[in-house]
Amino acid sequence: NAGVTQTPKFQVLKTGQSMTLQCAQDMNHNSMYWYRQDPGMGLRLIYYSASEGTTDKGEVPNGYNVSRLNKREFSLRLESAAPSQTSVYFCAIRDGYLMGTGDEQYFGPGTRLTVT
Amino acid sequence: DAKTTQPNSMESNEEEPVHLPCNHSTISGTDYIHWYRQLPSQGPEYVIHGLTSNVNNRMASLAIAEDRKSSTLILHRATLRDAAVYYCILADSWGKLQFGAGTQVVVTP
Repeated sequence: NAGVTQTPKFQVLKTGQSMTLQCAQDMNHNSMYWYRQDPGMGLRLIYYSASEGTTDKGEVPNGYNVSRLNKREFSLRLESAAPSQTSVYFCAIRDGYLMGTGDEQYFGPGTRLTVT
Repeated sequence: DAKTTQPNSMESNEEEPVHLPCNHSTISGTDYIHWYRQLPSQGPEYVIHGLTSNVNNRMASLAIAEDRKSSTLILHRATLRDAAVYYCILADSWGKLQFGAGTQVVVTP
């Protein structure tokens, strides 16, 4: 998980509350991603940012918003949390300098979110 | 979207090779085949990736079928630290990864 930090590590919210998950990287990579992982399942892509100043929806974007604040930081916001958003959230980065090069992603340690 | 099919679980003895199969019959010409693994309570960790040719690195080898509809991840000598969920994933040009359920690898001493 070197190079990708996520805050907070754990969070408990009540239904309807809002919060922002933070992701920061020190590898100067262009692309950043937010995934969620529900128990016993693989990760699903929420949003991604191919480069600074751009964001796009992934597989499960409903209920989330993102901001690519600068090249280092990519935040995920839950405006009105719901129990269905209880999950582990992972941020990932990728060099992505050249399209189609297939380079690997580096993942952060995750944020464990519970919505009651 | 292209998807992959993997066995739910595989068991291996320590210090023996492990061959993890993956089917991806709907792969497109520009999709890369990636493998990641995830240990309990951790984020996924990159293992290896390839496009058409077989690939080797310090962690594993990747054998890709000539028609690219299947691939096999090879762990040459399994250790207890290799016990994890292994994901076979097709990555598009934007680097988007579509995870399946993966294969749980159990390594017994």
